Amino acid sequence: GAGVSQSPRYKVTKRGQDVALRCDPISGHVSLYWYRQALGQGPEFLTYFNYEAQQDKSGLPNDRFSAERPEGSISTLTIQRTEQRDSAMYRCASSLAKWRLAGVGELFFGEGSRLTVL
Amino acid sequence: DQQVKQNSPSLSVQEGRISILNCDYTNSMFDYFLWYKKYPAEGPTFLISISSIKDKNEDGRFTVFLNKSAKHLSLHIVPSQPGDSAVYFCAALDGSSNTGKLIFGQGTTLQVKP
Repeated sequence: GAGVSQSPRYKVTKRGQDVALRCDPISGHVSLYWYRQALGQGPEFLTYFNYEAQQDKSGLPNDRFSAERPEGSISTLTIQRTEQRDSAMYRCASSLAKWRLAGVGELFFGEGSRLTVL
Repeated sequence: DQQVKQNSPSLSVQEGRISILNCDYTNSMFDYFLWYKKYPAEGPTFLISISSIKDKNEDGRFTVFLNKSAKHLSLHIVPSQPGDSAVYFCAALDGSSNTGKLIFGQGTTLQVKP
């Protein structure tokens, strides 16, 4: 597709359920990032992939959060046993090449997946 | 601990005037700074950036100024247009990072009145 595609756009779930959020980056983009954005705040880094390798997961809040990118393209962010504090907009972003080779700033964001945990 | 701060949640200016959006940071390891613009229901889009070796970068109506000693940067939009109304995020890159993760500020909502 032309841009970064995320699904679902909206997800409402009950506390304790697992959710999976999908990101389809721009074709050929090597770097992929997940961010979380609370209302009225800026995006907060969660994790980074270079191709299929998860090279930085320092932003994942706890072990209920995990992410994968098995074939170096589509990525899934999974939240297990969701809690109300997990409610937020989850944003995926991709970049053409590995960081600092792509040109700083060439990060393309998707429209996000808004998660609401009841 | 907010390493990148945008202390003004909102700003309103008249069309044709200058808009000045401010950003402060605390981490001296930050070596690259970016501004992103976000319209409602869309993802943020890259606007302009500046390396820490420079103090000014200009792109059309947009200019970013960096004051390293004060750990402060600002985005100037001249002249402001109604289409510039959006949320603006300041972001910083840690020079010691090899993954390119950005640290974002809270955002400033700009309203340009016709």
